Amino acid sequence: EPEVTQTPSHQVTQMGQEVILRCVPISNHLYFYWYRQILGQKVEFLVSFYNNEISEKSEIFDDQFSVERPDGSNFTLKIRSTKLEDSAMYFCASRRTGDQPQHFGDGTRLSIL
Amino acid sequence: DQQVKQNSPSLSVQEGRISILNCDYTNSMFDYFLWYKKYPAEGPTFLISISSIKDKNEDGRFTVFLNKSAKHLSLHIVPSQPGDSAVYFCAASEMSGNQFYFGTGTSLTVIP
Repeated sequence: EPEVTQTPSHQVTQMGQEVILRCVPISNHLYFYWYRQILGQKVEFLVSFYNNEISEKSEIFDDQFSVERPDGSNFTLKIRSTKLEDSAMYFCASRRTGDQPQHFGDGTRLSIL
Repeated sequence: DQQVKQNSPSLSVQEGRISILNCDYTNSMFDYFLWYKKYPAEGPTFLISISSIKDKNEDGRFTVFLNKSAKHLSLHIVPSQPGDSAVYFCAASEMSGNQFYFGTGTSLTVIP
């Protein structure tokens, strides 16, 4: 069964550094998402992406965050200047159409030192 | 702003018995509801969904019930198996929307 893949599985970065989290969504999916889960808290929506543009974003997704689909297969989340509070699990998700469930990757654990 | 709530952080059930996981929501615009299952170190895995035009959806051992007037949904697992032990998240969205709102999860332990 096709799946969403995320790399790396664990990223350790110094505070203030830029980090890029990578995702390969399921190949025939059209909608792409990033979520995060801070340890012990709920899964929170960050951003959705469709037709090469952001379709919706949350308050968490401020100017430090950006997303890109550079080559038709990868979907990346960039955090420009990381803060301690960015430490979390980041999940990528995709779905084929707007009325289908989202399928999630296994996440990238981001640790900011 | 907790639009989706799972008030039971944990639940233990004997193997073979029924597991009932509950979820409440506050936004009356939600019309699409899902349950995800999550093992440690893995992402959420889609389990079952229901749209607001139905009040029940069944898939094998899993049944989701939706009570729109009470803004409540539940997941029934019958019979429960040890492999069902995981964290279960309910999620909700507007069908026309992109954002899924997740509950905080219920950790289910099925005791052999």
